[in-house]
Amino acid sequence: EVQLEESGGGLVQPGGSLRLSCAVSGFISTDYWMTWVRQAPGKGLEWVANINQDGSDKYYVDSVRGRFTMSRDNAKNSLYLQMNSLRAEDTALYYCARNRRLSGMDVWGQGTTVTVSS
Amino acid sequence: DIQMTQSPSSVSASVGDRVTITCRASQGISSWLAWYQQKPGKAPKLLIYAASSLQSGVPSRFSGSGSGTDFTLTISSLQPEDFATYYCQQANTFPPFTFGPGTKVDIK
Repeated sequence: EVQLEESGGGLVQPGGSLRLSCAVSGFISTDYWMTWVRQAPGKGLEWVANINQDGSDKYYVDSVRGRFTMSRDNAKNSLYLQMNSLRAEDTALYYCARNRRLSGMDVWGQGTTVTVSS
Repeated sequence: DIQMTQSPSSVSASVGDRVTITCRASQGISSWLAWYQQKPGKAPKLLIYAASSLQSGVPSRFSGSGSGTDFTLTISSLQPEDFATYYCQQANTFPPFTFGPGTKVDIK
């Protein structure tokens, strides 16, 4: 079964760090771009970051560039999102998704919640 | 960056109704537009990609059309399980992969 499973969310103080993980199963992750998307409470979807198949190209939304780093370990079929200097506005449910680039994001995890609060 | 808008922001409809949602891009994106459905507490689900291609397993009552800057998602006969929020997303130019603000379809 094609599946993505996020983990690593939690409560963190402003300025703190968290590392999210996304475990991939049921497909060859090296065939796909992968994406993190977040959703603040009661709000819409926001694309956060993208990584290409071998991890050599990464893209970020302006609001997280320089603070977040996306990476992948294809040997472990895993994605990561290292989040530093967290702010209250980073509070959201974070999803990882398989990105077929021009053909949409067709597989999503159930998300992991990040809360930034003192 | 390309901005995406959707209209209406919400729509109240009855089972069996035809529902149309519009998405507009701030600049041309060819046909590289996707539509997603999200139910409360659930992850988004891809419905349509490349503006008009139906994702595998999605009922045929969903259809998409458009190119350039103007796109529509149509639900031909609304079913109880279709009450949800719908998002468009452009895939032509990135970063960012911009999502629209969403359209909530609820029960009349």
